[in-house]
Amino acid sequence: KQEVTQIPAALSVPEGENLVLNCSFTDSAIYNLQWFRQDPGKGLTSLLLIQSSQREQTSGRLNASLDKSSGRSTLYIAASQPGDSATYLCAIYGQNFVFGPGTRLSVLP
Amino acid sequence: GAGVSQSPSNKVTEKGKDVELRCDPISGHTALYWYRQSLGQGLEFLIYFQGNSAPDKSGLPSDRFSAERTGGSVSTLTIQRTQQEDSAVYLCASSLEGLFGETQYFGPGTRLLVL
Repeated sequence: KQEVTQIPAALSVPEGENLVLNCSFTDSAIYNLQWFRQDPGKGLTSLLLIQSSQREQTSGRLNASLDKSSGRSTLYIAASQPGDSATYLCAIYGQNFVFGPGTRLSVLP
Repeated sequence: GAGVSQSPSNKVTEKGKDVELRCDPISGHTALYWYRQSLGQGLEFLIYFQGNSAPDKSGLPSDRFSAERTGGSVSTLTIQRTQQEDSAVYLCASSLEGLFGETQYFGPGTRLLVL
């Protein structure tokens, strides 16, 4: 059974810092991994999708990497802004969809 | 340019009552997914519809939960004889073809509270 964990559970940083969010999974037989953000009271917004054959994806200030062999993905956020404050979820699509518990990010002005 | 919509946005019900939650996917999307997020928990996959294929119900927590998708578009998630542990945010998502590697687009969710 696929298990997904995310570290840290919560993170608070001053504006402008670069930061890394971590996602770990136990079963490397995956089709893809997706990073989402969730704002309070709202649905999920897809940020980046990495196919199992890919090693990274980039969108603006965001960069996500995937290492299937070690069961890890990282989301790198450059030059963080207060608007980045949200909960970040990673989701694995293998046998079915499994989401991590999320990292709650606060970027302080 | 409508995204995924869900109704109601909030629902309060009494234990034992039935509830119906509605999802309108993005027009043209053939795949539709239901998830729930309980307080302090991660997202939990419930059910997946793809075109006219039989839905993948592997995530439904009990036989009190069922879902339909009429005409390949709107979907209704029904919870019968609600229990307090059913309280959660129920999220719906859709994607274009339901293929591996597709981005899913999420609705805002329905917040269900069972008293």
